[in-house]
Amino acid sequence: DVKVTQSSRYLVKRTGEKVFLECVQDMDHENMFWYRQDPGLGLRLIYFSYDVKMKEKGDIPEGYSVSREKKERFSLILESASTNQTSMYLCASRQVGTEAFFGQGTRLTVV
Amino acid sequence: KNEVEQSPQNLTAQEGEFITINCSYSVGISALHWLQQHPGGGIVSLFMLSSGKKKHGRLIATINIQEKHSSLHITASHPRDSAVYICAGTGNQFYFGTGTSLTVIP
Repeated sequence: DVKVTQSSRYLVKRTGEKVFLECVQDMDHENMFWYRQDPGLGLRLIYFSYDVKMKEKGDIPEGYSVSREKKERFSLILESASTNQTSMYLCASRQVGTEAFFGQGTRLTVV
Repeated sequence: KNEVEQSPQNLTAQEGEFITINCSYSVGISALHWLQQHPGGGIVSLFMLSSGKKKHGRLIATINIQEKHSSLHITASHPRDSAVYICAGTGNQFYFGTGTSLTVIP
């Protein structure tokens, strides 16, 4: 019954590494989102995508990029990981006007 | 300005108590989600509302469109209800409240 799958639950990476966070949904949703969640700051939007190959910057896109080559997959890329990108990363998907579904989250630690 | 305001920030209740969490939102939001996040866990969508009231088990969500206000109620609360509850308005994207951390004491 899994609907939104994030590739890793926990991830530890070194400063400067290129990091890929993958999100896959099986509901044929057009809209997909990447958020990061930090204590005291709540959920902040990094990037979102309305459709394949389409992307829009959210509130905090600096240091991140995304890729959406197929409808079901939305990848978040940290070009050169830094310690301030240590966070919980959440992926979400929805069709406009319908319920949203969230992944289990990826807890990324950059050392 | 935050498009979604949620209260209270923290809530402690005795098992069996009736609980209410409130959410106010601004214009431009067409629907409201109530989300639940257990400690260390991912986020689960409990309800999506654009009008009226929805019920699932002991959880009830209501929305008043004229007043731009929504409430999440938990009847006969149980320690397993302890979690963070987040209100999220949706337009083109999500606008999240800051969350309510609920602790239900046995």
